[in-house]
Amino acid sequence: SQTIHQWPATLVQPVGSPLSLECTVEGTSNPNLYWYRQAAGRGLQLLFYSVGIGQISSEVPQNLSASRPQDRQFILSSKKLLLSDSGFYLCAWSGQGDEQYFGPGTRLTVT
Amino acid sequence: DQQVKQNSPSLSVQEGRISILNCDYTNSMFDYFLWYKKYPAEGPTFLISISSIKDKNEDGRFTVFLNKSAKHLSLHIVPSQPGDSAVYFCAATTSGTYKYIFGTGTRLKVLA
Repeated sequence: SQTIHQWPATLVQPVGSPLSLECTVEGTSNPNLYWYRQAAGRGLQLLFYSVGIGQISSEVPQNLSASRPQDRQFILSSKKLLLSDSGFYLCAWSGQGDEQYFGPGTRLTVT
Repeated sequence: DQQVKQNSPSLSVQEGRISILNCDYTNSMFDYFLWYKKYPAEGPTFLISISSIKDKNEDGRFTVFLNKSAKHLSLHIVPSQPGDSAVYFCAATTSGTYKYIFGTGTRLKVLA
């Protein structure tokens, strides 16, 4: 069966520091991969999605970036965090079907 | 422009009764709709989905209804249980686009 991992689970970072969140999927090949953010009291905002290695589509202009160095690995990065980057970050994958499955999430607090 | 809307931020229901969560969309190109359940500090869990070629899909206590002409879908939970208390998100996609648009969620509280 398929499994999706995210780490770390929680992170507290100062403003201006870099960020790297990692997501990996097991049990499937060539998944579509996604990064979402849920800000406090808000819905799920799609940040990036990828349909293959090296293929990244950005939905929201911001100081975040994403990379997909391997088929089942998706990384969310920032060179300098802002206070507004605080939130709950979720990685997700979808396959041949139309269902999308989420990881456990990372709670990021920028101080 | 919010293409998927959940206009009720919260809903309280007595245990054993029916919970009805609503979702509206504006994009007529959407052809697949999903419902997710989310507990605090966890990722959303897929519940049930429906294709635009159907108007109803049932899975145990969960039934999703789709009214394409009204661009409206609803999730029915019956009977409601205290463990159903969570935030419910609806989502929509157009097959082949790889993009899912989520509503803002409805917090369901099932009272014992």
